[in-house]
Amino acid sequence: GAGVSQSPSNKVTEKGKDVELRCDPISGHTALYWYRQRLGQGLEFLIYFQGNSAPDKSGLPSDRFSAERTGESVSTLTIQRTQQEDSAVYLCASSFIAEAETQYFGPGTRLLVL
Amino acid sequence: EDQVTQSPEALRLQEGESSSLNCSYTVSGLRGLFWYRQDPGKGPEFLFTLYSAGEEKEKERLKATLTKKESFLHITAPKPEDSPTYLCAVGSNFGNEKLTFGTGTRLTIIP
Repeated sequence: GAGVSQSPSNKVTEKGKDVELRCDPISGHTALYWYRQRLGQGLEFLIYFQGNSAPDKSGLPSDRFSAERTGESVSTLTIQRTQQEDSAVYLCASSFIAEAETQYFGPGTRLLVL
Repeated sequence: EDQVTQSPEALRLQEGESSSLNCSYTVSGLRGLFWYRQDPGKGPEFLFTLYSAGEEKEKERLKATLTKKESFLHITAPKPEDSPTYLCAVGSNFGNEKLTFGTGTRLTIIP
């Protein structure tokens, strides 16, 4: 079946604008994860969902970041009042259940804040 | 706090020249150690999961091994298509489903 998909693939925005990033997980995967990858750095955990609930929001860097998931499927990561330091690749992953070992990643959304 | 350190940061090899990449980790109860490869402009692609010291897994020219403190990814007779960044990550048993990643090793295979 299809892998994890993300949209848009690239996003350029102006400082202060809001952006929404979308993730479609692999069908049947109940767990969904968001990570951020800054240039030259490792992947940084942001948030994960088990079903539609988010047991762990500890990685969200500020209250400008929020995420939701509906129908145990699509997830949206919203960044309000974007700052230049938000520029990064935002990666989404999914797994069959949260305790499963393997997270499968999408291609990412490259966000550039000018 | 879980930590992962990968070395070297970058490695250049001649085609056919075997080598090993290192991943050192500290974690509160290892749930699994994961190797991914990441080509430029793409998301990480899963390679292996290792669960306990002494475990080994192989796939084509790659072999991953695990000890209590580190993992090695051995690359045998690499080809130019083996030139992505290799990422190592650990998962913890203690109530947190996230993976903690290292910064990766950028591998370049020269024809």
